[in-house]
Amino acid sequence: DQQVKQNSPSLSVQEGRISILNCDYTNSMFDYFLWYKKYPAEGPTFLISISSIKDKNEDGRFTVFLNKSAKHLSLHIVPSQPGDSAVYFCAAKDSGAGSYQLTFGKGTKLSVIP
Amino acid sequence: KAGVTQTPRYLIKTRGQQVTLSCSPISGHRSVSWYQQTPGQGLQFLFEYFSETQRNKGNFPGRFSGRQFSNSRSEMNVSTLELGDSALYLCASSPRQGSENSPLHFGNGTRLTVT
Repeated sequence: DQQVKQNSPSLSVQEGRISILNCDYTNSMFDYFLWYKKYPAEGPTFLISISSIKDKNEDGRFTVFLNKSAKHLSLHIVPSQPGDSAVYFCAAKDSGAGSYQLTFGKGTKLSVIP
Repeated sequence: KAGVTQTPRYLIKTRGQQVTLSCSPISGHRSVSWYQQTPGQGLQFLFEYFSETQRNKGNFPGRFSGRQFSNSRSEMNVSTLELGDSALYLCASSPRQGSENSPLHFGNGTRLTVT
C-alpha cells in the first residue's frame, strides 16, 4: 500500500512558466514533508520542507503548500528554468515514530522546455 | 563541508556472492540511513543507525544488514545476492535521530548490478 503517491509520472512546462508538482499521502501520522530533486546518476538533493503546523513554506523560486484536511501537498516552481529538469520526489515522515524514516513517492519527471 | 560519501560508485557482482557498501556521513551527523532505489519500487527505506545502534529496519529480508562505527561511518552488507538486488543504494545522514525535523542529505549512491 503506497502511503505517499505522486500520480503524475511526468510533467512538461515552458521555461518561465509555473511548474506545479502534486503529492498525496494516506498516513495521518505524517507531520513533516520534504521535496527532493534528483538528476540521473546522482543522489536526491533536498529542496524544501514543511511541518504540519504550517500550510506554506517558501524558499526563493520554490514554494510548498500543505493541505492537511485533503492530505495533499504541492510544490510550485516559479519561474521554471531548464536546469529544473529532473525527477522530483515527495517524502513524508512521522516525527513520533522514534526513528528517522522517510516514505517516498515514486517521483515526477519534470521537463522544462526552453 | 564535505557531503555524504559513498564507495564504491559502481559494483558488478554475481548471484550468490556478498557485497559490502560503505558510507561516510557529513561531519557531525550522527544518524545514517540506507535506501534502495529501483525503477519499479522507487526509494525504499532499508535501515537507520544512530550511535552505533540500528533504530529501525524496513521490510527487507535478513540478507540485508548493516552497522555503524563509533565515528558514525556506516556499512551495509547484502549476502547471497539475487538478481533482484540490482539497484541504486543510497546512504543519507542527518544531524540527529528520531523526532528532530531536519532534512536527510543523500550521497550519490552505489550502483549495484547482480548478474
